Amino acid sequence: GAVVSQHPSWVICKSGTSVKIECRSLDFQATTMFWYRQFPKQSLMLMATSNEGSKATYEQGVEKDKFLINHASLTLSTLTVTSAHPEDSSFYICSAPPPGQGTDTQYFGPGTRLTVL
Amino acid sequence: QKEVEQNSGPLSVPEGAIASLNCTYSDRGSQSFFWYRQYSGKSPELIMSIYSNGDKEDGRFTAQLNKASQYVSLLIRDSQPSDSATYLCAATFDSNYQLIWGAGTKLIIKP
Repeated sequence: GAVVSQHPSWVICKSGTSVKIECRSLDFQATTMFWYRQFPKQSLMLMATSNEGSKATYEQGVEKDKFLINHASLTLSTLTVTSAHPEDSSFYICSAPPPGQGTDTQYFGPGTRLTVL
Repeated sequence: QKEVEQNSGPLSVPEGAIASLNCTYSDRGSQSFFWYRQYSGKSPELIMSIYSNGDKEDGRFTAQLNKASQYVSLLIRDSQPSDSATYLCAATFDSNYQLIWGAGTKLIIKP
């Protein structure tokens, strides 16, 4: 089946620094990718929809200037957490639906665990 | 507001029994419904999808959809300890692939 990878799988950074997380579709082209955040013992929260070649669509309450999303190619979307703070520590997961295969083939990356000290 | 609701549990089921997980949704326009399994520290993996009223079976898993009552359920037969995980119910309300997620039900299968 189709594979979505994320890098890094975990990252620890100091408060105030920026962290970039990559999401790649390895064997299909993804015009749309989704970025989620999940806090411990909570469900996934959609942060934004990343669209190749255009601006991302952010969900209400998500700061677009803090969570920068770039979807420059059909296989790569990046999420940059700028000026990270401890409250940004979370599990970040991306997903991508291969075009033309319907919603039930949305593939998830393995996630990136971010810890901000 | 479009919502998907689940009982957070935990739901404890003895090994070999049937585990029954339930989910309700708010929008009658919902089109597609999904059950995902998530182990601690891992990302979700798709277990079942269902689009039409009735039952859909896949191995030990059966998804049931009742659009009139706006609920979807997942039955796991012959529960195994390896089925212990959080089960997330999700629905799409339009055609842009965006999933609306429930909070998840933690399932514990006791040997």
